[in-house]
Amino acid sequence: AQTVTQSQPEMSVQEAETVTLSCTYDTSENNYYLFWYKQPPSRQMILVIRQEAYKQQNATENRFSVNFQKAAKSFSLKISDSQLGDTAMYFCAFMKPSPGANSKLTFGKGITLSVRP
Amino acid sequence: EPEVTQTPSHQVTQMGQEVILRCVPISNHLYFYWYRQILGQKVEFLVSFYNNEISEKSEIFDDQFSVERPDGSNFTLKIRSTKLEDSAMYFCASSAPGTETQYFGPGTRLLVL
Repeated sequence: AQTVTQSQPEMSVQEAETVTLSCTYDTSENNYYLFWYKQPPSRQMILVIRQEAYKQQNATENRFSVNFQKAAKSFSLKISDSQLGDTAMYFCAFMKPSPGANSKLTFGKGITLSVRP
Repeated sequence: EPEVTQTPSHQVTQMGQEVILRCVPISNHLYFYWYRQILGQKVEFLVSFYNNEISEKSEIFDDQFSVERPDGSNFTLKIRSTKLEDSAMYFCASSAPGTETQYFGPGTRLLVL
């Protein structure tokens, strides 16, 4: 079974600064997907970024980028130019794909990020 | 931009009562999921659904739970006889053919008294 570990329960960053959120995972699969989801106080789950394990290039999405280290099974999220609206819980998630794209997500425990004005 | 919707946003029920949580997935999506998040804990997979059948379910999804797609748009989660420990946020998600990205609804906060 796959596991996802987010060992930092909380982090804080000054507005406009850069912050990196850590995630490690454990799997014996070679092909899989990794995701970061954001959950603001409204509690809706919002997709931030995704990474396919077969791609060596790190995914980027505007101010959000990942550092994907497949051998180390590490998938960290970097948020540049932090904004107050980035304050949220961030979940790292793993998916082992199956035919038909009907696979479950396995989530980490999440990290609470606070952006200070 | 199309989005997943869920109703109600909040539901309070008495232990032992039946509840039905409703979801309208994104219209061209064919794969549907339910997850739950007990307050302060991580999001947990409950069940996935495709072509009017359950594809996979977790150990949480016992006989008290059922899912249904009663028409072309709704996807429902029924809890037959609620327990106190069913109190949680329930998220519906959907994904399109050929893509692994799941889009989540805003959630239904269920409180069992």
